[in-house]
Amino acid sequence: AQSVTQPDIHITVSEGASLELRCNYSYGATPYLFWYVQSPGQGLQLLLKYFSGDTLVQGIKGFEAEFKRSQSSFNLRKPSVHWSDAAEYFCAVGTLMGGQFYFGTGTSLTVIP
Amino acid sequence: SQTIHQWPATLVQPVGSPLSLECTVEGTSNPNLYWYRQAAGRGLQLLFYSVGIGQISSEVPQNLSASRPQDRQFILSSKKLLLSDSGFYLCAWGEKESEAFFGQGTRLTVV
Repeated sequence: AQSVTQPDIHITVSEGASLELRCNYSYGATPYLFWYVQSPGQGLQLLLKYFSGDTLVQGIKGFEAEFKRSQSSFNLRKPSVHWSDAAEYFCAVGTLMGGQFYFGTGTSLTVIP
Repeated sequence: SQTIHQWPATLVQPVGSPLSLECTVEGTSNPNLYWYRQAAGRGLQLLFYSVGIGQISSEVPQNLSASRPQDRQFILSSKKLLLSDSGFYLCAWGEKESEAFFGQGTRLTVV
């Protein structure tokens, strides 16, 4: 069965510091991988996605993620965090044919001045 | 361009009352449609998904049901709400081999 693990429930970083949010997945075939961001009380906005090709993908708001098949990971990174990045971040895996999306439990990011 | 509408934004319902949440998508045909529930600390739980009219797949047995009476309409229902049905419900649409696009969500409180 498909599953997504985000081991960090909550992360606090200083503004301007680098950020890495971890995501591990379990899926029998080549996955589609996504990172979404959610502001309080809002829907989810797509940050970036990986379908195939270059394993380092660039997204919006200066985020990037790297797909590592050997580690079943798709970690999200940002070199310099801004206060506006404080939000909940979700990693998701999508199935190739069925169209289902499975999400991790999320990582809450706090940015301190 | 495609848009997704989900309503109401907030809802307070007594235990035992029925529920109907509606979601509609514009600007696309034959989309995949999804209902998720979000509870604190539990991420997004996929409740139902549909790949076509009248085709509903349930991921988690529960007090809820879903229907797709039209191509771009997805409805989440319950005959009798439980306290445990409280949560944030999100509708989403997608196409095969693409990402999911989310509505703004409905905050349901069962009292």
